[in-house]
Amino acid sequence: GESVGLHLPTLSVQEGDNSIINCAYSNSASDYFIWYKQESGKGPQFIIDIRSNMDKRQGQRVTVLLNKTVKHLSLQIAATQPGDSAVYFCAENMGPTGANSKLTFGKGITLSVRP
Amino acid sequence: GAGVSQSPSNKVTEKGKDVELRCDPISGHTALYWYRQRLGQGLEFLIYFQGNSAPDKSGLPSDRFSAERTGESVSTLTIQRTQQEDSAVYLCASSPGGGAIPNTEAFFGQGTRLTVV
Repeated sequence: GESVGLHLPTLSVQEGDNSIINCAYSNSASDYFIWYKQESGKGPQFIIDIRSNMDKRQGQRVTVLLNKTVKHLSLQIAATQPGDSAVYFCAENMGPTGANSKLTFGKGITLSVRP
Repeated sequence: GAGVSQSPSNKVTEKGKDVELRCDPISGHTALYWYRQRLGQGLEFLIYFQGNSAPDKSGLPSDRFSAERTGESVSTLTIQRTQQEDSAVYLCASSPGGGAIPNTEAFFGQGTRLTVV
């Protein structure tokens, strides 16, 4: 859904621990999902994506899990580092064409890594 | 250029003035988005262009806001009679996907920081 008017929640983790960032998406018809990372003063940057025909996808130190039954998306970061401190957004696309084809962002979570 | 380019990077304007923000998407990208991000908050969808389809303007907060796109090229976001509440970072993103081909990631510019005084 839209992320308007609310300050972002914060997840604090110890350096070296694994982080799990969760997102509830809004539309069961969504077929494509993305996680973005936004560092201070910069635009969001792509981390990893997953299509609805998959449950899990792994990248370098990151894993995205998709549970379509409960419309839940999660991002797992292994061995969290100080450079992982940022705001993380999930995004969904509701289809390639038509009125719902735009990319819609979740509210965002601030990840803070403790040294 | 290699990425999405936005200009100006910073804009300070007086309340009541009009401002125009520019976005140069990645060449060949059919989809273009504008978002607003207030300090410490999330991304607020404003408008979406996809190829030659009618734009999705459902996120524009008032009739003071408008945007145009020339074909699959440059887009401008115009805010008329600016108010202090318009102060925010305005982000543009483009994507090669959507329309006739599957969706893919959107690439963001660095944003324009607008301050209304």
